[in-house]
Amino acid sequence: AQSVAQPEDQVNVAEGNPLTVKCTYSVSGNPYLFWYVQYPNRGLQFLLKYITGDNLVKGSYGFEAEFNKSQTSFHLKKPSALVSDSALYFCAVRDMAPGNTGKLIFGQGTTLQVKP
Amino acid sequence: SAVISQKPSRDICQRGTSLTIQCQVDSQVTMMFWYRQQPGQSLTLIATANQGSEATYESGFVIDKFPISRPNLTFSTLTVSNLSPEDSSIYLCSVAGSASSTDTQYFGPGTRLTVL
Repeated sequence: AQSVAQPEDQVNVAEGNPLTVKCTYSVSGNPYLFWYVQYPNRGLQFLLKYITGDNLVKGSYGFEAEFNKSQTSFHLKKPSALVSDSALYFCAVRDMAPGNTGKLIFGQGTTLQVKP
Repeated sequence: SAVISQKPSRDICQRGTSLTIQCQVDSQVTMMFWYRQQPGQSLTLIATANQGSEATYESGFVIDKFPISRPNLTFSTLTVSNLSPEDSSIYLCSVAGSASSTDTQYFGPGTRLTVL
């Protein structure tokens, strides 16, 4: 069965420092991986995805993620954090198993707190 | 990406009543999904809304409790029936398979439901 794990409930970083939000996955077949961000009282916003190709994927708001097949990881990164990046981040994998609808399976979410 | 709207944005309902949530997309999409996000939790797929046929429900969700309609390629409704306080959640509509992107799911702003 497909699954996603975000091992950290919360990540705290100082503004201007690099940030990493961790995600590991378990899938059968090739993974379709996504990162979303949720600001308070808002829906989910798409940040970036990995389907195939270059292992380093660049997305919105200066975020990037590195796909590592051997470690089954897809960590979200940003070189210099902003206070406005403080939000709830979700990693997700798309279920591409035969007969399924391609639904997203989400990790439990990681709260990112960037302090001035 | 597609622009997705949901109505209502929030509601407070009495137990035993029902709430119908509307999801409207500004372009035709292949797939529409309904997710639930319980307080402090991640997202769980309720069902895939199929155009012109019955929705496909995930384990633990049934049509009598969560009837879904999808009359065309831009609109869907989710009804949460016989409300109880345990139904207090954010309900999110998601779409995939637009002309601009076939493999990314985009989310509406969500409907925050509180059941008293």
